[in-house]
Amino acid sequence: AQTVTQSQPEMSVQEAETVTLSCTYDTSESDYYLFWYKQPPSRQMILVIRQEAYKQQNATENRFSVNFQKAAKSFSLKISDSQLGDAAMYFCAYRSEVSGTYKYIFGTGTRLKVLA
Amino acid sequence: GAVVSQHPSWVICKSGTSVKIECRSLDFQATTMFWYRQFPKQSLMLMATSNEGSKATYEQGVEKDKFLINHASLTLSTLTVTSAHPEDSSFYICSASGFSRDYEQYFGPGTRLTVT
Repeated sequence: AQTVTQSQPEMSVQEAETVTLSCTYDTSESDYYLFWYKQPPSRQMILVIRQEAYKQQNATENRFSVNFQKAAKSFSLKISDSQLGDAAMYFCAYRSEVSGTYKYIFGTGTRLKVLA
Repeated sequence: GAVVSQHPSWVICKSGTSVKIECRSLDFQATTMFWYRQFPKQSLMLMATSNEGSKATYEQGVEKDKFLINHASLTLSTLTVTSAHPEDSSFYICSASGFSRDYEQYFGPGTRLTVT
């Protein structure tokens, strides 16, 4: 079974600085998707970025980028020029296809604090 | 992004009663909807996956007779918590995905259930 591990329960970053959130996963599949979701205090889950496993190029969305190491099964999120609005819980998620249906597995989350 | 609504956003019910939570995809056809449960300061736990017109697939440990899921149309799924007890108090989140949205998962804003 697939597992997703986020080893950092909480991280802090100074405003305008860069922070990296870690995520590792375990799977025997070769084709899958990985995601980072943000959950602010409103608790509305928001997609930050996604990575397709067959793509070697790391995904980038504005200030957010990933470092995808498929062999190491590592999928870290880098947030550049951190802003106060980035403060939230961040969840790493793995998506696999089971019998034609997608299934998502979430990590335990990392709480990011942004210091002014 | 796509819009997914949940109703109600907050509900209080007495022990032994049943409560229904609705999840609607407002601007796309959701062939698959997911129901999650989130305890305070914890990750999302997948409860079940429902495909339109089919019976829901429940995760191990989730009582299908207690958490009734119906996905009768491409825009609506419901979760009914039957004979609710205080331990069922939690934050319930639905998400929807479909072909037209590249099977991306769009989340509803969540429903806070309190059983007294």
